[in-house]
Amino acid sequence: AQSVAQPEDQVNVAEGNPLTVKCTYSVSGNPYLFWYVQYPNRGLQFLLKYITGDNLVKGSYGFEAEFNKSQTSFHLKKPSALVSDSALYFCAVRDGNSGYALNFGKGTSLLVTP
Amino acid sequence: DAGITQSPRHKVTETGTPVTLRCHQTENHRYMYWYRQDPGHGLRLIHYSYGVKDTDKGEVSDGYSVSRSKTEDFLLTLESATSSQTSVYFCAIRGSGTENQPQHFGDGTRLSIL
Repeated sequence: AQSVAQPEDQVNVAEGNPLTVKCTYSVSGNPYLFWYVQYPNRGLQFLLKYITGDNLVKGSYGFEAEFNKSQTSFHLKKPSALVSDSALYFCAVRDGNSGYALNFGKGTSLLVTP
Repeated sequence: DAGITQSPRHKVTETGTPVTLRCHQTENHRYMYWYRQDPGHGLRLIHYSYGVKDTDKGEVSDGYSVSRSKTEDFLLTLESATSSQTSVYFCAIRGSGTENQPQHFGDGTRLSIL
């Protein structure tokens, strides 16, 4: 089965510092990976995806993610964190079955302090 | 934002009562999904639909049924609600054409079963 793991429940970063939210994957075949963000009382918003091609993927709101095949990782990054980036972040992998549904990690809560 | 409306947004009900949640889309997308979100579990797939009257089970389908009589509406029914079904429920949609399109999510229904 296709799965992802987010090893950190919470990440704390000072505003202006770079941030990294970690994700590792376990798949058979080529991985199709996604990052979503969730603000309180809202649905998930799509940030970026990796399908194939460049290992550095750029997405919305200044976020990017680095795909590393040898480490089976897909970490989310941003060079300079904002307080408004504080939210819940989910990594997901496309399931080859189930209508190409997504299998999600447990989520990582990002707190950016002023 | 993708045109997805979930109703109701909040509901409190009692164990043993039937509950129906509605997902309405204005995008004419083929694929629709129901997920539940629980702390420590991320989002898990309940059921999905790949067209009118075409539905199938996901990872956590026990105790749930779905129906899709029109492209725009996907209903999730709890025939006899239990306290373990207290959760936040999200509907998602995805266009066809390429299976690598990201899913877009509604704002969720917070369901409490007492």
